Amino acid sequence: KAGVTQTPRYLIKTRGQQVTLSCSPISGHRSVSWYQQTPGQGLQFLFEYFSETQRNKGNFPGRFSGRQFSNSRSEMNVSTLELGDSALYLCASSFLPGGAGGPGSYNEQFFGPGTRLTVL
Amino acid sequence: DAKTTQPPSMDCAEGRAANLPCNHSTISGNEYVYWYRQIHSQGPQYIIHGLKNNETNEMASLIITEDRKSSTLILPHATLRDTAVYYCIVRDYTGTASKLTFGTGTRLQVTL
Repeated sequence: KAGVTQTPRYLIKTRGQQVTLSCSPISGHRSVSWYQQTPGQGLQFLFEYFSETQRNKGNFPGRFSGRQFSNSRSEMNVSTLELGDSALYLCASSFLPGGAGGPGSYNEQFFGPGTRLTVL
Repeated sequence: DAKTTQPPSMDCAEGRAANLPCNHSTISGNEYVYWYRQIHSQGPQYIIHGLKNNETNEMASLIITEDRKSSTLILPHATLRDTAVYYCIVRDYTGTASKLTFGTGTRLQVTL
């Protein structure tokens, strides 16, 4: 079974530009979560989509947005790029959404290799 | 904020068992503990999860204390390829949604 794929793997942009990153989940998975990883802040949750609906959102400005398509593929967009947006952006997929079944259930997330974004 | 605390770094000799501790003193009675690892600049890799009983799979063993306030991930025969940052995670719930909140993890260095 193919894993989570992310495109592109590397990207260089300049300040003020916008960028779109893509994530294809594992076949059959309907939940996609996005994370940002920087040396200073570590891994931080951006948002989660399930069945084309945003279910959960982290503490990021409105410049960060996402969407999910009917085939469960997801994109995230960052507008008006800033130097501090340089990071590894990770996508993770799971069969169920993060809170499904409540605390008494488990739900493994599988991560993709990430997109390394550099903002100059 | 992450609901777990881990030592920032550990060393282990190749071939020996690596025991990585995690404190999760505020865990609720029915919340799972998940372990992931991240090899440099790659996406985190799921290792194992557990609730109350000890768990074992092809990668590792997970020992959870009876009071569930702490756990230990055991890599029985560490190799150089096990050098990575290991994250112990308890899901963070907001209503019906939840997310994985990563802490700073433990950087495991396996040496010859």
